[in-house]
Amino acid sequence: DTAVSQTPKYLVTQMGNDKSIKCEQNLGHDTMYWYKQDSKKFLKIMFSYNNKELIINETVPNRFSPKSPDKAHLNLHINSLELGDSAVYFCASSQEVGLHEQFFGPGTRLTVL
Amino acid sequence: AQKVTQAQTEISVVEKEDVTLDCVYETRDTTYYLFWYKQPPSGELVFLIRRNSFDEQNEISGRYSWNFQKSTSSFNFTITASQVVDSAVYFCALSEFPGPNAGKSTFGDGTTLTVKP
Repeated sequence: DTAVSQTPKYLVTQMGNDKSIKCEQNLGHDTMYWYKQDSKKFLKIMFSYNNKELIINETVPNRFSPKSPDKAHLNLHINSLELGDSAVYFCASSQEVGLHEQFFGPGTRLTVL
Repeated sequence: AQKVTQAQTEISVVEKEDVTLDCVYETRDTTYYLFWYKQPPSGELVFLIRRNSFDEQNEISGRYSWNFQKSTSSFNFTITASQVVDSAVYFCALSEFPGPNAGKSTFGDGTTLTVKP
């Protein structure tokens, strides 16, 4: 059983398009996250959700809109994709905010052409 | 503001050598948590250890050991008798709790470890 799953694994698209990445966790965790990892492997938090509520938004352009329909799901929608959005996006979850280790999904490699 | 510094960008060792990965952090909170994660070439991120700010005991797990020193704000990671399978990017991370930054984990820039046979 996959603890944190993301779809799709790879996403190749043209500039200006809109795309979504889906994330699901079956660990019963309260908190979910989105991270962006760039080509230099730097890992930056984008959003944190706790019990479906947004708690952290790290100055991400408003083209990025997360949505948490329930505690087990956190989706990321990106409008008007730009070249600089190319990266690996990781979803993660943890039992409680701040206290516990995070379990990461396999990542979604987004390439914007 | 919280900050994590991993000064070593890349380290290369020969198998069976010991290697230490440095991590220095900054925080104004008295309660915080420190983590190490491993990212092998396959790309997944794997949790290795968690330590809270009130527990300065060192920890050993097999060939891995961690040295937490609040006096120097460091949480260093040592691999003893390194193996090729240890080749990965290693991230140190800090999470504050409670407070306005709860839920925001700050990661260091990572140290790429290459273990050669």
